[in-house]
Amino acid sequence: NAGVTQTPKFQVLKTGQSMTLQCAQDMNHEYMSWYRQDPGMGLRLIHYSVGAGITDQGEVPNGYNVSRSTTEDFPLRLLSAAPSQTSVYFCASRSPRTGFNGANVLTFGAGSRLTVL
Amino acid sequence: EDQVTQSPEALRLQEGESSSLNCSYTVSGLRGLFWYRQDPGKGPEFLFTLYSAGEEKEKERLKATLTKKESFLHITAPKPEDSATYLCAVLRSGGGADGLTFGKGTHLIIQP
Repeated sequence: NAGVTQTPKFQVLKTGQSMTLQCAQDMNHEYMSWYRQDPGMGLRLIHYSVGAGITDQGEVPNGYNVSRSTTEDFPLRLLSAAPSQTSVYFCASRSPRTGFNGANVLTFGAGSRLTVL
Repeated sequence: EDQVTQSPEALRLQEGESSSLNCSYTVSGLRGLFWYRQDPGKGPEFLFTLYSAGEEKEKERLKATLTKKESFLHITAPKPEDSATYLCAVLRSGGGADGLTFGKGTHLIIQP
């Protein structure tokens, strides 16, 4: 059981380049989300999805696109990278079940560190 | 607006020296308060969920408590392997997105 898998672990881009951060989970979780983590700031939600074909914006969505064609995968796309997008990105998923001890608990991936020059 | 404030930002303790980390929150309709541990270069790892004031949960040397305004993570006789950043997050009822607001974390260092 791999949990949440993110690739790549490290990436360096030049301003204006595009790329996709991959996220896959094998826990059959309906809910998936992307966060960014910057020094001195808490985790901030970028986009989230409550199931295949359904996505929505979080707190800091500008400059990022997402899609959810399958339950397992939730890629994050940067269409034209900017230095302000230098950050560590975390994908997370959680069980849709409620009323049990693990309700609403996010399982995080190991992170993708992105540097935009 | 939901707010989560963690203090201190950083804490250095000697091995065996007990202490507490604080998480103060302002949220309308708290559905749950979460504690996570994050090691360098890794994603946050779930520790506890607390749902109502007065609730306590324990795991090894860690005990989390909750009041109506704050939560404490008590660390008893810590060991160097307890060194990590500890994150607090609150889940509110209603609203959009996933309703989670994270604090900035407390960076804990336990010296042998």
